Amino acid sequence: KAGVTQTPRYLIKTRGQQVTLSCSPISGHRSVSWYQQTPGQGLQFLFEYFSETQRNKGNFPGRFSGRQFSNSRSEMNVSTLELGDSALYLCASSFSPGVNTEAFFGQGTRLTVV
Amino acid sequence: QKEVEQNSGPLSVPEGAIASLNCTYSDRGSQSFFWYRQYSGKSPELIMSIYSNGDKEDGRFTAQLNKASQYVSLLIRDSQPSDSATYLCAVENDYKLSFGAGTTVTVRA
Repeated sequence: KAGVTQTPRYLIKTRGQQVTLSCSPISGHRSVSWYQQTPGQGLQFLFEYFSETQRNKGNFPGRFSGRQFSNSRSEMNVSTLELGDSALYLCASSFSPGVNTEAFFGQGTRLTVV
Repeated sequence: QKEVEQNSGPLSVPEGAIASLNCTYSDRGSQSFFWYRQYSGKSPELIMSIYSNGDKEDGRFTAQLNKASQYVSLLIRDSQPSDSATYLCAVENDYKLSFGAGTTVTVRA
């Protein structure tokens, strides 16, 4: 069974640009969550999608957005990139959101903003 | 107060010893608790989940949950050099995971 697949693995962008990251969940999983990991802030929740609906959103500016498609694949977009957006962006999938559901992470996308 | 707090590391243990990791959480309504292992430069890997008070064992790993004390722990028995990693405690609420800062464990050969 294939795991969570994130593309691309590495990105280098310039301040002010925008970026789109992609996540394909484990087959059969319908919930996709996104997290940002930095050395200073650790792992922080960005948003969660289930059946194309955003069910929860973390405390990030509106420059961070996401969506989920009918096949459960998800994308997140960051507009007007800032140096502080440099981070490892992780996608996690689970069978369904909520109680007693295990989440599995992809390999992550390492974003560097210069 | 942070939502999830872990005992500060790093934690260094000799090979074959028990490594003990602790985690407390602030939301009394939390029902799902997880331990992830993260090797340097890699993504977090789920190693244990626990939902009920008490102990749950899986191989050399034992998770313990005490909801009254809002406390979760992870024991690693017979520690091996391959256990050297950062261990992250995670608590689920409202369809999101809140993570602790992590405890870095080094197993000395």
